[in-house]
Amino acid sequence: LAKTTQPISMDSYEGQEVNITCSHNNIATNDYITWYQQFPSQGPRFIIQGYKTKVTNEVASLFIPADRKSSTLSLPRVSLSDTAVYYCLVGAFTSGTYKYIFGTGTRLKVLA
Amino acid sequence: GAGVSQSPRYKVAKRGQDVALRCDPISGHVSLFWYQQALGQGPEFLTYFQNEAQLDKSGLPSDRFFAERPEGSVSTLKIQRTQQEDSAVYLCASSPPGGRTSHEQFFGPGTRLTVL
Repeated sequence: LAKTTQPISMDSYEGQEVNITCSHNNIATNDYITWYQQFPSQGPRFIIQGYKTKVTNEVASLFIPADRKSSTLSLPRVSLSDTAVYYCLVGAFTSGTYKYIFGTGTRLKVLA
Repeated sequence: GAGVSQSPRYKVAKRGQDVALRCDPISGHVSLFWYQQALGQGPEFLTYFQNEAQLDKSGLPSDRFFAERPEGSVSTLKIQRTQQEDSAVYLCASSPPGGRTSHEQFFGPGTRLTVL
Protein backbone atom coordinates (compact mmCIF):
# COMPACT_ATOMS: atom_id res chain seq x y z
CA LEU A 1 0.00 0.00 0.00
CA ALA A 2 1.16 3.54 -0.64
CA LYS A 3 2.22 5.18 2.55
CA THR A 4 3.20 8.69 3.46
CA THR A 5 5.13 8.99 6.70
CA GLN A 6 5.96 11.96 8.90
CA PRO A 7 7.30 12.36 12.45
CA ILE A 8 4.42 12.34 14.91
CA SER A 9 5.46 15.46 16.79
CA MET A 10 8.13 18.12 17.12
CA ASP A 11 8.86 20.84 19.63
CA SER A 12 10.64 24.06 18.82
CA TYR A 13 11.29 27.47 20.31
CA GLU A 14 10.21 30.79 18.92
CA GLY A 15 12.60 32.16 16.33
CA GLN A 16 14.05 28.80 15.36
CA GLU A 17 13.90 27.17 11.96
CA VAL A 18 11.82 23.99 11.82
CA ASN A 19 12.21 21.25 9.23
CA ILE A 20 9.56 18.57 8.81
CA THR A 21 10.19 15.66 6.47
CA CYS A 22 7.65 13.48 4.71
CA SER A 23 8.51 10.23 2.98
CA HIS A 24 6.38 9.23 0.00
CA ASN A 25 7.95 6.28 -1.77
CA ASN A 26 5.06 5.66 -4.18
CA ILE A 27 4.52 9.19 -5.47
CA ALA A 28 3.13 9.29 -9.00
CA THR A 29 5.55 10.46 -11.66
CA ASN A 30 3.82 13.70 -12.56
CA ASP A 31 2.46 14.52 -9.14
CA TYR A 32 3.09 17.57 -7.02
CA ILE A 33 3.92 17.49 -3.32
CA THR A 34 1.74 19.77 -1.25
CA TRP A 35 1.90 20.77 2.39
CA TYR A 36 -0.96 21.89 4.58
CA GLN A 37 -1.32 23.42 8.05
CA GLN A 38 -4.26 22.56 10.26
CA PHE A 39 -5.44 24.24 13.45
CA PRO A 40 -7.97 22.62 15.80
CA SER A 41 -11.55 22.72 14.51
CA GLN A 42 -10.47 24.07 11.14
CA GLY A 43 -9.87 22.55 7.73
CA PRO A 44 -6.32 22.23 6.41
CA ARG A 45 -4.84 25.35 4.88
CA PHE A 46 -2.49 25.29 1.88
CA ILE A 47 1.12 26.28 2.65
CA ILE A 48 3.29 25.38 -0.32
CA GLN A 49 3.55 23.06 -3.29
CA GLY A 50 6.40 21.82 -5.45
CA TYR A 51 7.44 19.24 -8.01
CA LYS A 52 11.22 19.10 -7.68
CA THR A 53 14.26 20.89 -6.23
CA LYS A 54 13.35 23.89 -4.10
CA VAL A 55 10.33 26.14 -3.87
CA THR A 56 10.05 29.18 -1.62
CA ASN A 57 7.15 31.46 -0.81
CA GLU A 58 6.52 34.10 1.84
CA VAL A 59 5.88 31.57 4.61
CA ALA A 60 7.93 28.46 3.88
CA SER A 61 10.38 26.59 1.70
CA LEU A 62 10.02 23.12 0.28
CA PHE A 63 13.01 20.95 -0.53
CA ILE A 64 12.56 17.95 -2.81
CA PRO A 65 15.47 15.61 -3.67
CA ALA A 66 15.98 14.29 -7.17
CA ASP A 67 14.30 10.93 -6.50
CA ARG A 68 11.21 12.74 -5.09
CA LYS A 69 10.65 10.00 -2.53
CA SER A 70 10.67 12.53 0.27
CA SER A 71 10.23 16.23 0.85
CA THR A 72 11.11 18.65 3.62
CA LEU A 73 9.00 21.59 4.70
CA SER A 74 11.10 24.36 6.22
CA LEU A 75 9.51 27.02 8.40
CA PRO A 76 11.90 29.90 9.11
CA ARG A 77 11.80 31.63 12.49
CA VAL A 78 8.65 30.01 13.87
CA SER A 79 6.32 31.85 16.23
CA LEU A 80 3.77 30.63 18.76
CA SER A 81 1.04 30.95 16.12
CA ASP A 82 2.76 28.26 14.03
CA THR A 83 1.71 25.65 16.59
CA ALA A 84 -0.43 23.34 14.47
CA VAL A 85 -0.47 20.00 12.68
CA TYR A 86 1.35 19.86 9.36
CA TYR A 87 0.47 17.39 6.61
CA CYS A 88 2.03 16.50 3.30
CA LEU A 89 -0.26 15.44 0.45
CA VAL A 90 0.76 13.47 -2.61
CA GLY A 91 -0.90 11.47 -5.32
CA ALA A 92 0.27 7.91 -5.66
CA PHE A 93 -0.66 4.77 -7.52
CA THR A 94 -1.81 1.90 -5.34
CA SER A 95 -2.65 -1.36 -7.09
CA GLY A 96 -2.93 0.58 -10.32
CA THR A 97 -5.32 3.14 -8.91
CA TYR A 98 -4.40 6.78 -8.40
CA LYS A 99 -5.13 7.97 -4.87
CA TYR A 100 -4.70 11.16 -2.90
CA ILE A 101 -2.76 10.39 0.25
CA PHE A 102 -2.32 12.67 3.22
CA GLY A 103 0.62 12.05 5.49
CA THR A 104 0.21 10.98 9.07
CA GLY A 105 0.68 14.55 10.22
CA THR A 106 3.31 16.23 12.40
CA ARG A 107 2.14 18.05 15.49
CA LEU A 108 4.40 21.06 15.90
CA LYS A 109 4.49 22.80 19.24
CA VAL A 110 6.28 26.12 19.41
CA LEU A 111 7.43 27.13 22.86
CA ALA A 112 8.14 30.63 24.13
CA GLY B 1 -14.39 36.37 -1.45
CA ALA B 2 -16.18 33.60 0.38
CA GLY B 3 -14.34 30.39 1.07
CA VAL B 4 -15.67 26.85 1.15
CA SER B 5 -18.58 26.51 3.53
CA GLN B 6 -20.04 23.40 5.06
CA SER B 7 -23.23 22.76 6.95
CA PRO B 8 -24.08 21.77 9.52
CA ARG B 9 -20.87 22.34 11.47
CA TYR B 10 -21.92 19.74 14.02
CA LYS B 11 -24.31 16.83 13.67
CA VAL B 12 -25.33 14.29 16.28
CA ALA B 13 -27.13 11.25 14.95
CA LYS B 14 -28.54 8.14 16.54
CA ARG B 15 -27.18 4.89 15.18
CA GLY B 16 -29.21 3.86 12.15
CA GLN B 17 -30.23 7.39 11.23
CA ASP B 18 -29.53 8.88 7.79
CA VAL B 19 -27.55 12.14 7.56
CA ALA B 20 -26.81 14.62 4.78
CA LEU B 21 -23.79 16.93 4.85
CA ARG B 22 -23.62 19.93 2.55
CA CYS B 23 -20.66 21.61 0.91
CA ASP B 24 -20.66 24.96 -0.91
CA PRO B 25 -17.40 25.25 -2.85
CA ILE B 26 -15.71 28.43 -3.99
CA SER B 27 -17.47 29.82 -7.03
CA GLY B 28 -15.79 28.73 -10.24
CA HIS B 29 -13.93 25.80 -8.72
CA VAL B 30 -14.55 22.77 -10.88
CA SER B 31 -12.98 20.16 -8.62
CA LEU B 32 -14.55 19.11 -5.35
CA PHE B 33 -13.27 16.60 -2.83
CA TRP B 34 -14.65 14.93 0.28
CA TYR B 35 -12.40 13.62 3.04
CA GLN B 36 -13.02 11.86 6.33
CA GLN B 37 -10.81 12.78 9.27
CA ALA B 38 -10.88 10.64 12.39
CA LEU B 39 -9.71 12.14 15.66
CA GLY B 40 -5.94 12.56 15.67
CA GLN B 41 -5.55 11.27 12.12
CA GLY B 42 -4.89 12.81 8.73
CA PRO B 43 -7.71 13.32 6.25
CA GLU B 44 -8.64 10.23 4.24
CA PHE B 45 -9.87 10.69 0.69
CA LEU B 46 -13.47 9.70 0.05
CA THR B 47 -14.49 10.95 -3.38
CA TYR B 48 -13.74 13.48 -6.13
CA PHE B 49 -15.92 15.43 -8.56
CA GLN B 50 -15.01 17.39 -11.62
CA ASN B 51 -18.01 19.59 -12.24
CA GLU B 52 -20.99 17.25 -11.86
CA ALA B 53 -19.10 14.10 -12.74
CA GLN B 54 -17.99 11.87 -9.89
CA LEU B 55 -14.64 10.70 -11.24
CA ASP B 56 -13.41 8.77 -8.25
CA LYS B 57 -15.36 7.24 -5.39
CA SER B 58 -12.81 4.65 -4.42
CA GLY B 59 -12.45 6.03 -0.90
CA LEU B 60 -16.08 5.68 0.12
CA PRO B 61 -15.93 3.10 2.93
CA SER B 62 -19.19 1.33 2.17
CA ASP B 63 -22.32 1.49 0.06
CA ARG B 64 -23.95 3.43 2.88
CA PHE B 65 -21.96 6.46 1.70
CA PHE B 66 -23.19 8.39 -1.29
CA ALA B 67 -22.12 11.74 -2.72
CA GLU B 68 -23.63 13.90 -5.42
CA ARG B 69 -23.03 17.24 -7.11
CA PRO B 70 -25.91 17.45 -9.58
CA GLU B 71 -25.30 20.95 -10.95
CA GLY B 72 -21.56 21.08 -10.59
CA SER B 73 -21.52 23.40 -7.61
CA VAL B 74 -23.04 22.41 -4.25
CA SER B 75 -22.32 18.86 -3.14
CA THR B 76 -23.99 16.61 -0.61
CA LEU B 77 -22.47 13.65 1.18
CA LYS B 78 -25.13 11.29 2.45
CA ILE B 79 -24.57 8.53 4.95
CA GLN B 80 -27.33 6.00 5.38
CA ARG B 81 -27.93 3.91 8.50
CA THR B 82 -25.11 5.61 10.38
CA GLN B 83 -22.83 3.51 12.57
CA GLN B 84 -20.60 4.57 15.44
CA GLU B 85 -17.50 4.09 13.29
CA ASP B 86 -18.80 6.84 11.00
CA SER B 87 -18.09 9.40 13.74
CA ALA B 88 -15.49 11.76 12.31
CA VAL B 89 -15.01 15.18 10.79
CA TYR B 90 -16.04 15.30 7.15
CA LEU B 91 -14.04 17.83 5.17
CA CYS B 92 -14.92 19.28 1.80
CA ALA B 93 -12.36 20.96 -0.44
CA SER B 94 -12.49 22.61 -3.82
CA SER B 95 -9.83 23.62 -6.29
CA PRO B 96 -9.67 25.64 -9.47
CA PRO B 97 -8.81 24.11 -12.83
CA GLY B 98 -5.21 22.93 -12.73
CA GLY B 99 -5.13 19.27 -13.41
CA ARG B 100 -5.37 16.44 -11.01
CA THR B 101 -1.69 16.44 -10.18
CA SER B 102 -1.78 19.87 -8.56
CA HIS B 103 -3.15 19.70 -5.04
CA GLU B 104 -3.83 23.29 -4.04
CA GLN B 105 -7.14 22.59 -2.40
CA PHE B 106 -9.23 25.01 -0.38
CA PHE B 107 -10.86 23.33 2.59
CA GLY B 108 -14.02 24.10 4.44
CA PRO B 109 -14.20 23.99 8.25
CA GLY B 110 -15.66 20.49 8.23
CA THR B 111 -18.74 18.88 9.71
CA ARG B 112 -18.17 16.99 12.93
CA LEU B 113 -20.47 13.95 12.94
CA THR B 114 -21.06 12.09 16.17
CA VAL B 115 -23.06 8.87 16.02
CA LEU B 116 -24.47 7.71 19.35
